[in-house]
Amino acid sequence: DSGVTQTPKHLITATGQRVTLRCSPRSGDLSVYWYQQSLDQGLQFLIQYYNGEERAKGNILERFSAQQFPDLHSELNLSSLELGDSALYFCASSGGLAGGSNTGELFFGEGSRLTVL
Amino acid sequence: AQSVTQPDIHITVSEGASLELRCNYSYGATPYLFWYVQSPGQGLQLLLKYFSGDTLVQGIKGFEAEFKRSQSSFNLRKPSVHWSDAAEYFCAVGAWGFQKLVFGTGTRLLVSP
Repeated sequence: DSGVTQTPKHLITATGQRVTLRCSPRSGDLSVYWYQQSLDQGLQFLIQYYNGEERAKGNILERFSAQQFPDLHSELNLSSLELGDSALYFCASSGGLAGGSNTGELFFGEGSRLTVL
Repeated sequence: AQSVTQPDIHITVSEGASLELRCNYSYGATPYLFWYVQSPGQGLQLLLKYFSGDTLVQGIKGFEAEFKRSQSSFNLRKPSVHWSDAAEYFCAVGAWGFQKLVFGTGTRLLVSP
């Protein structure tokens, strides 16, 4: 158990809909990362938050957005869903920036599997 | 830009045989390198990491990896594979501070009896 909790584990929805994926990081971790894993694209970095602020952005579509709340949990919002958005979405957490509790390791949740029909 | 290449999509190894999974990276500065394992239906678990120092690093479950700067490689090895090692293995490279990891496409390990 990595200590990172993601909900829901599975989600089936229709094209055009909107969903929200939730992530609770390990206790004490300040950074949250979102990754998308699909068969054709592999593991793609979407976005990182550190202590409530956006820190780095990857290949995240404009239809997707994320935020990190004061209690450090994070949500990934996916809207106007398309068939191609079907994927496994991972959240990971870490101690934050260099120094302090940062061990350089990302701790991954078990993912939220999104199926768009 | 950082990139990672795992040239083998699938590898099949007999139980008890040795294993080497290849990883080549591209990164302009000192890389921070990781190997993660993903079992079916699970998240990614860290096997080992290299930041600096000894270029041969030991990890969990009997795995080790060697950093070779001249070859831009960070190959994962295990002397004797167990059936429970069947999984997908990902190599990743990151930069200290932001830890945005770039992952390779993964190598799926199959273990035959």
